[in-house]
Amino acid sequence: GAVVSQHPSWVICKSGTSVKIECRSLDFQATTMFWYRQFPKQSLMLMATSNEGSKATYEQGVEKDKFLINHASLTLSTLTVTSAHPEDSSFYICSAAGVSGNTIYFGEGSWLTVV
Amino acid sequence: GENVEQHPSTLSVQEGDSAVIKCTYSDSASNYFPWYKQELGKRPQLIIDIRSNVGEKKDQRIAVTLNKTAKHFSLHITETQPEDSAVYFCAASRPGGSYIPTFGRGTSLIVHP
Repeated sequence: GAVVSQHPSWVICKSGTSVKIECRSLDFQATTMFWYRQFPKQSLMLMATSNEGSKATYEQGVEKDKFLINHASLTLSTLTVTSAHPEDSSFYICSAAGVSGNTIYFGEGSWLTVV
Repeated sequence: GENVEQHPSTLSVQEGDSAVIKCTYSDSASNYFPWYKQELGKRPQLIIDIRSNVGEKKDQRIAVTLNKTAKHFSLHITETQPEDSAVYFCAASRPGGSYIPTFGRGTSLIVHP
């Protein structure tokens, strides 16, 4: 299957700072990538859909000015958590749709801890 | 939009027993139904999927069935092993360029040795 790589795996930052998480499709071009947030023992909550070359589509209740998404190329999407607060601490995971369109592949996920 | 319900939320079985997880979906246009396995702190891994033109698909100890009329699909794991312990998510999606899967809430499967 296709490979999606996410970096960093772990990050600790201070309140008020910004953190950038990268999501790369390594062996295929992904016109669409998805960003999820997952709380312990809960399902994947879709935050936004990232489309190459255009603005991301955010789900209801997700602050677009706080969670900045950039999809500048067919293989890279970034999520920047701005002015991070402790309640932003979570597991963030990206995914990308493969060439076939339906099958999606997940990145390794990024644990964010805001202190 | 699509709504996917998944049951049970927790499933505890003895090693060697079978496990069944069920999902229902609301959008009759959905035509692709993947199942993911997620171990603690790791990424969800696609384990099996089924498309709406097929009623059943099997891969070794794992099988998935789909009932389009009733709009439900199920994951069946036979001869369970402790390493099958994980959270399993079902999902449903519809065709089109803006493919967005809708996930179920997940089932925590615990296989006791």
